[in-house]
Order: sequence, then structure tokens, then C-alpha cells
Amino acid sequence: DGGITQSPKYLFRKEGQNVTLSCEQNLNHDAMYWYRQDPGQGLRLIYYSQIVNDFQKGDIAEGYSVSREKKESFPLTVTSAQKNPTAFYLCASSSGMNTEAFFGQGTRLTVV
Amino acid sequence: ELKVEQNPLFLSMQEGKNYTIYCNYSTTSDRLYWYRQDPGKSLESLFVLLSNGAVKQEGRLMASLDTKARLSTLHITAAVHDLSATYFCAVVDNNDMRFGAGTRLTVKP
Repeated sequence: DGGITQSPKYLFRKEGQNVTLSCEQNLNHDAMYWYRQDPGQGLRLIYYSQIVNDFQKGDIAEGYSVSREKKESFPLTVTSAQKNPTAFYLCASSSGMNTEAFFGQGTRLTVV
Repeated sequence: ELKVEQNPLFLSMQEGKNYTIYCNYSTTSDRLYWYRQDPGKSLESLFVLLSNGAVKQEGRLMASLDTKARLSTLHITAAVHDLSATYFCAVVDNNDMRFGAGTRLTVKP
């Protein structure tokens, strides 16, 4: 089945560690996005990518990094520079044409 | 910079009542989406609006888009408890997709 898959569903990180969240899609979508959602809040854009090997910073890119080496994959690394990383992270993809974005099931990251 | 504003942020309704959620945005985009999110879950697509005057309806929900006013509305008719969720609008401008803050809807018996 076509879709977008995020892993892991839950992730625990020690302070000072880098962690990488996976996002894979088999929808042949060009555009991919990473959002952060804090409890009771909306979605804030971290990074987005319109094509392979290209990506742009969103509103809250500091402390995060991404890569887009393959069309299907858009991993997000939460670095130790991100001082408050505990949040729900959502990945989305879009064809870039006139269709909606499809979301993964999210990764809930907790710093312990 | 693309900005998206939703109101109200919180909405408590009685079953059977009607209400409208508003979504204002700052660019000339003609691509607007509505999503629903249940607690602890991901986002589910509700409507895709792609042109001025577009109107889409699904069950008790109806969404419309006025690109000249840079406004979309999500109208709820005769609310039922199952509609309790958070509703987000999202606007796309050159593949930069931004969300409103969300409207947390609670439908009470």
C-alpha cells in the first residue's frame, strides 16, 4: 500500500545526544515536510524539501538538521543544540500538485 | 512570510448547533487544506480547496475558499459528539505549507 511511514513511534533521548527520526514515503511525492507539535499547540514547520538534494529551513530549524538524498526519504536529526526537543514530530509529503499533504503517524520524542 | 490565522482557537458547542471556524492567510495562495486531528493521533485530510469560490461538503462539514479575501471557512451543521477534535487549516505557497494554530472543538450532549 502507498503511504508515508515514520519510525520509531516513541523515542527517548538522553540530554546531549543526537537522535534521528525516520520518514519514508512510497507515494512518489516530490515535496516532504517536518513539523513539530507541542501539547495543545499547532504545527510548526522545521524543514521542508521540494526536490532531492534540496531543502529549506522553516520557522524553527535551529537545533535540527535534515537530508534529502533520496526522493523517498527525509530523515530529521534532532541535535544536542535543540534545548527543548520533547515534542510530537510529524512528517508529511505532497505531490506538489493540487493534492493535499499526507501525514505519517508521528514520532513522540521525550528527553530523559 | 506566509502566515495563517485561525479562530476561534477553542470552541465548545452543544449537539445540534451550527458554527463556523475561520482561517485567514497572508498570501495570494489558492491552495488551502483542512485537516482533523484526534488526541494523540496524526492528521487526517478533510478537504482540498484549489480555487476561488471552491466549496466542498462531507457530512456535517462544509468548507469554502475566498482567495480574494484570503479567507476559508469550515462550517459545522447540527454538531454531533463525534466531531470533537482539533481542526487545522493549512495554506501552501510555493510548496511552503503552513498551518493555523488549530481550533479545538468540543461537542457536548
